[in-house]
Amino acid sequence: EADIYQTPRYLVIGTGKKITLECSQTMGHDKMYWYQQDPGMELHLIHYSYGVNSTEKGDLSSESTVSRIRTEHFPLTLESARPSHTSQYLCASAGTSRYEQYFGPGTRLTVT
Amino acid sequence: KNQVEQSPQSLIILEGKNCTLQCNYTVSPFSNLRWYKQDTGRGPVSLTIMTFSENTKSNGRYTATLDADTKQSSLHITASQLSDSASYICVVSDRGSTLGRLYFGRGTQLTVWP
Repeated sequence: EADIYQTPRYLVIGTGKKITLECSQTMGHDKMYWYQQDPGMELHLIHYSYGVNSTEKGDLSSESTVSRIRTEHFPLTLESARPSHTSQYLCASAGTSRYEQYFGPGTRLTVT
Repeated sequence: KNQVEQSPQSLIILEGKNCTLQCNYTVSPFSNLRWYKQDTGRGPVSLTIMTFSENTKSNGRYTATLDADTKQSSLHITASQLSDSASYICVVSDRGSTLGRLYFGRGTQLTVWP
């Protein structure tokens, strides 16, 4: 079982609210990732980081932003949530092998 | 375009029966292929990983095969259990990406009935 955590697990908020999804890992991994997954669909990479102070956008355009101030922490922020942001957000990390990604349990976000 | 296609989209089997899930990919240059199990509301958990030179890998009741020539993989589940009910996702990595780019299939939703 990988030591990667996400909070909250479930979140229901109103349109226009600012939210931050937390992701932490205790494995000392340099690489961290955020994916978005809709029901029955594949995971889409929205952000990644190679290390502290390094963040890049992924394949899927997202209005969210991320930061990497500490190795173990990779939060994702939505400044103004909209119903189109309703989805599951999965955080992952990788160490020496960039292909060996360990996933967190996910955050199910619903914007009303 | 790098893609990963899985079939069937969903599958229902009775407890104790065997089943096989399919994965076709066009990712190039190929690095490795993983099968993940994703329980409802959870993150994916790796079951097996195969590189170009491997054509079969087992993990308990799960056996994955890989044909790198035809770019096909299968996941065989033996003596299914109720806890096998989940989405099984095929994930292919390309060798040319420093990112460690993963290409995800949409998954096969397996339901095991008692």
